[in-house]
Amino acid sequence: AQTVTQSQPEMSVQEAETVTLSCTYDTSESDYYLFWYKQPPSRQMILVIRQEAYKQQNATENRFSVNFQKAAKSFSLKISDSQLGDAAMYFCAYTQGGSEKLVFGKGTKLTVNP
Amino acid sequence: ETGVTQSPTHLIKTRGQQVTLRCSSQSGHNTVSWYQQALGQGPQFIFQYYREEENGRGNFPPRFSGLQFPNYSSELNVNALELDDSALYLCASSITSGGFIEQFFGPGTRLTVL
Repeated sequence: AQTVTQSQPEMSVQEAETVTLSCTYDTSESDYYLFWYKQPPSRQMILVIRQEAYKQQNATENRFSVNFQKAAKSFSLKISDSQLGDAAMYFCAYTQGGSEKLVFGKGTKLTVNP
Repeated sequence: ETGVTQSPTHLIKTRGQQVTLRCSSQSGHNTVSWYQQALGQGPQFIFQYYREEENGRGNFPPRFSGLQFPNYSSELNVNALELDDSALYLCASSITSGGFIEQFFGPGTRLTVL
C-alpha cells in the first residue's frame, strides 16, 4: 500500500524568510502524482502545487516550489518570502495515475512569525 | 473558495445514532470523494462516487454509505455511530483537466459523537 510520511509535525518561520517542509512516500507504481495541500484554520483544503512523477523538472508556483527526488521518494515543499497568510496545516498527498483516491500524510503545522 | 459547499458546519450526535452529511459540488464535476479527518491526522479516503455509482472504497465499514445525485449534490450516511467517528468530514469534487484530475475540497462538517 502507498504511504506518505511527513516527519515534521510543526515548523515555524520568520516573515519574509524561507522554509522547507519535508515529505517522503512509498510506492511501487511508476505513474503517479504528488501534491501539497494547504489547510488554513478555516479548514478548506486548497491545492498549493502538484508534481507529475514522469516530469523531471520540479514544479513551481510563484513563491512555492518543490524538490522532487524520485529515486529517494522525497517530495519537499519550499516556501520563499513567507507571509503571515501562509500559516496553515500543510499536507503532502499522493495519487496513483488514473485514480482519484488521495493518500495524505499527517500534516505539518506551519507558523509564520511577524 | 473552491465552489464546493457542505452542510451542516457542525453536528453533535450520540453513540448509536445515524447521521447524514451533505455536499454540493461544482457544476460539471461528476465525481465526488469523501474523506474522514480525525483530529491531528491527515484525511483518509472513505469512498468515491462517479455518475451516481460507488467507484472505490477505502478501509471503512459498510455502515458508511453514500449517495450521489444528478444535480451534483451528494450525501454521506453513517449508521450506528461510534465515538471514533468523531472527525472532520470532507467532500471533494473532481474534474479532469489536461489529463490531470484536480480535486476541489469543501470546508468540511465537524461531527462530534458523545
